[in-house]
Amino acid sequence: EAGVTQFPSHSVIEKGQTVTLRCDPISGHDNLYWYRRVMGKEIKFLLHFVKESKQDESGMPNNRFLAERTGGTYSTLKVQPAELEDSGVYFCASSPRRWENIQYFGAGTRLSVL
Amino acid sequence: AQRVTQPEKLLSVFKGAPVELKCNYSYSGSPELFWYVQYSRQRLQLLLRHISRESIKGFTADLNKGETSFHLKKPFAQEEDSAMYYCATARSGNTGKLIFGQGTTLQVKP
Repeated sequence: EAGVTQFPSHSVIEKGQTVTLRCDPISGHDNLYWYRRVMGKEIKFLLHFVKESKQDESGMPNNRFLAERTGGTYSTLKVQPAELEDSGVYFCASSPRRWENIQYFGAGTRLSVL
Repeated sequence: AQRVTQPEKLLSVFKGAPVELKCNYSYSGSPELFWYVQYSRQRLQLLLRHISRESIKGFTADLNKGETSFHLKKPFAQEEDSAMYYCATARSGNTGKLIFGQGTTLQVKP
C-alpha cells in the first residue's frame, strides 16, 4: 500500500512568491490533515479535511494560506505571498476512520523562503 | 488550552541503559495519548498509543491521569532507538487534530 506522498520534498522561493504544496493521502482515507513545524518549534496543526470539506481550519495562520481538496482526493496548500516566517517543514497526514484516531504522515515538504 | 510538554530537547544515554522520555499534558476532557517517532531520513510514524496498552520495540508508556503524564520508557536502549520522539494528544474517539510536544531527540551512544 502506498503511503502518504507529498510534493515537492523541498522548495526554495523568494519572499513574495507563491508556492503550492501537494499531498496525496492513502487511498480511501477520508481524513486529511496539514501540519507544519517551524524551526525550533513544535509540530502545529493547520487544518483538517473530511473528504472535500474543511472540518477544522483553526490552525491556519492567516489568509495567505489556502488549502483545497477537490473531489476529496489529493489536497493542495498554497502560500501566497510567502513570507520569511513561513519557512519550515509542512507535513500532511491521513486517517481512515472516524473512530480510530491514527494518522499516517507523509515525508514532509521543506519550505525555505529567502 | 490543550498542551503537551516534553521538558527535554535532548536525551543522551549509552547503549543498554534505561531510557525515560518525559511527557506531560493538559487537556480538558478525555484525551488520547500517542508517541510518534521520526528516525533519520524517515517519515513521522506512530510508535504507540495509550489505549493499545502494548509494547512496541521494547517501549512502553503508561497514562498517569493523576500526574497528567505519559512518559515513554525502555529498560535497555539500543543504538537504533536514536531518533526524534514526539508526544501528542487528541480528543478521545475523534479523528481531530493532534497536538504535539516540542519533541525529544534521543541519542543512544555505543
